[in-house]
Amino acid sequence: DSGVTQTPKHLITATGQRVTLRCSPRSGDLSVYWYQQSLDQGLQFLIQYYNGEERAKGNILERFSAQQFPDLHSELNLSSLELGDSALYFCASSVGIVSGTDTQYFGPGTRLTVL
Amino acid sequence: AQKVTQAQTEISVVEKEDVTLDCVYETRDTTYYLFWYKQPPSGELVFLIRRNSFDEQNEISGRYSWNFQKSTSSFNFTITASQVVDSAVYFCALSEGNGGSQGNLIFGKGTKLSVKP
Repeated sequence: DSGVTQTPKHLITATGQRVTLRCSPRSGDLSVYWYQQSLDQGLQFLIQYYNGEERAKGNILERFSAQQFPDLHSELNLSSLELGDSALYFCASSVGIVSGTDTQYFGPGTRLTVL
Repeated sequence: AQKVTQAQTEISVVEKEDVTLDCVYETRDTTYYLFWYKQPPSGELVFLIRRNSFDEQNEISGRYSWNFQKSTSSFNFTITASQVVDSAVYFCALSEGNGGSQGNLIFGKGTKLSVKP
């Protein structure tokens, strides 16, 4: 158990809908990262927050947005869902702001299926 | 640009065999970090090791060992006396040291290891 929690574990929805994925980092970690894992693209970094502020952006679509709240939990919002958004979404957390200098620990993931 | 290549898509071995998973990386930075993660069939990503670019010492942890060679830009992972529980997808990842806009984990495509009894 990494200490990172994600809810829900599974999510099934229809095209055009909007969903919210939730992540709680390990105790003491200030950075939260979101990754998408799909069969064709592999594991891709989406976005990082550090202590409530957006820190870095990767291949995140404009239909997707995220935020980190004062209690450090984070939410990833996916809207106007398409079939291609079906994937496993991971949240990771680390202590500091620079991703390489400490280890990212991953949550169990949320499996999103868009029908 | 950063890149991680895991040329072996799938490997199948019989229990107790030794197996090496290859990882080759590309980066222009002199400071960087390399990682290995394990993804068992249950789906979670489990951290195995982190190594910085200034530390080329090989590391051993039980049946696991890692060989870091800057000269060949490789960070290979060996499992000795493999067990069925080692069956998983293994990912190698790279991160720059300065935490710039791309200073997050760049993953390879993964190597699926199947260990048969």
